[in-house]
Amino acid sequence: KAGVTQTPRYLIKTRGQQVTLSCSPISGHRSVSWYQQTPGQGLQFLFEYFSETQRNKGNFPGRFSGRQFSNSRSEMNVSTLELGDSALYLCASSLGRGSYEQYFGPGTRLTVT
Amino acid sequence: GESVGLHLPTLSVQEGDNSIINCAYSNSASDYFIWYKQESGKGPQFIIDIRSNMDKRQGQRVTVLLNKTVKHLSLQIAATQPGDSAVYFCAENGAGNQFYFGTGTSLTVIP
Repeated sequence: KAGVTQTPRYLIKTRGQQVTLSCSPISGHRSVSWYQQTPGQGLQFLFEYFSETQRNKGNFPGRFSGRQFSNSRSEMNVSTLELGDSALYLCASSLGRGSYEQYFGPGTRLTVT
Repeated sequence: GESVGLHLPTLSVQEGDNSIINCAYSNSASDYFIWYKQESGKGPQFIIDIRSNMDKRQGQRVTVLLNKTVKHLSLQIAATQPGDSAVYFCAENGAGNQFYFGTGTSLTVIP
């Protein structure tokens, strides 16, 4: 079974631009969560989607948004990029919400200059 | 908010020795925990999980222990190998039905 895939793997953007990241979950998984990982803050939860609905949201500004499609693939968007948005963005999928094994993709390394 | 902390940020062990990585969590209502391994340039890799109705679970060379009384989680790696060198995170499924992650422990295996 294929794992979680994320595209692109690397991205360089300038301040003020916007970016869209994509995540394809493991086949059969309906829950997709997004995380931001930085050296200073560690892994921080952005949001979770389940059956195309955002069910949970972390403490990030409204510039961070996401969506999920009927095939469970998910995208996250960051608008008006700031230097502090430079991070590894990780997507994780699981069968359902909460107490299920959660598997991560390789991440998208975003650099904002 | 949730607080999942690791007792030691770095750990060095000799190849062949056993490793123990610790984690403290704050939400006594958390019902599910996962240990992840993250190698440089990669996403976290699922190692082993445990539910709150258990106090021990074993996998291949790894054992997770859960002490709900003191809200403590540990990962034991038997016969540590150079390929085990990585950052290890614990995660708890806590308030809001979301996962909270510890800051990570960097394990270095000395050949």
